[in-house]
Amino acid sequence: ETGVTQTPRHLVMGMTNKKSLKCEQHLGHNAMYWYKQSAKKPLELMFVYSLEERVENNSVPSRFSPECPNSSHLFLHLHTLQPEDSALYLCASSQDRLTGLAGGVSYNEQFFGPGTRLTVL
Amino acid sequence: AQKVTQAQTEISVVEKEDVTLDCVYETRDTTYYLFWYKQPPSGELVFLIRRNSFDEQNEISGRYSWNFQKSTSSFNFTITASQVVDSAVYFCALRQYNTGNQFYFGTGTSLTVIP
Repeated sequence: ETGVTQTPRHLVMGMTNKKSLKCEQHLGHNAMYWYKQSAKKPLELMFVYSLEERVENNSVPSRFSPECPNSSHLFLHLHTLQPEDSALYLCASSQDRLTGLAGGVSYNEQFFGPGTRLTVL
Repeated sequence: AQKVTQAQTEISVVEKEDVTLDCVYETRDTTYYLFWYKQPPSGELVFLIRRNSFDEQNEISGRYSWNFQKSTSSFNFTITASQVVDSAVYFCALRQYNTGNQFYFGTGTSLTVIP
């Protein structure tokens, strides 16, 4: 496997179900992200993990629960979702590095997985 | 306030025409990073280019070129001699130095190249 992989690619679930999305990056990166992409809207950043620590949580409802057991794996646990949660969920990773200049950081591009198309009935 | 604006929602061109996709951004940081991504129908976003705010040189890569203008806060993307395989949604994104974890994406421009 290369790059960023996501499973499953498609998921249909009822509002009472519990499911999990999985993301794996094979790039040796130190940061991983979950995004939600809905039609006609900008990509919405949901969660950011840097070195396995959650560093950003953009007011995401508690029915979405992320987990990052190591730097290569990221999960998104789903429970009691609503129909408006139907969207494409994208995982991404990046390698951000300290420049050594007054604590500066060089932010590199994100590499995205193919996404999970989620439909909530 | 929206930090990245892609005013063109949809563009259609005939194959071999040149097309420019506009991107205007907003930031108070003096150091920031700009990106372009391509999202083909398969859904996976593909990285195209990164530009640092302190590097205003324009860049050309094959049929792709980028025009970075700090004075107008724009980072436009031109495809020369477009091909059907260029049909995709293109996203411009901004990452600020002081709030580095957040990528701000535009709403995307859907490009259709007609054979």
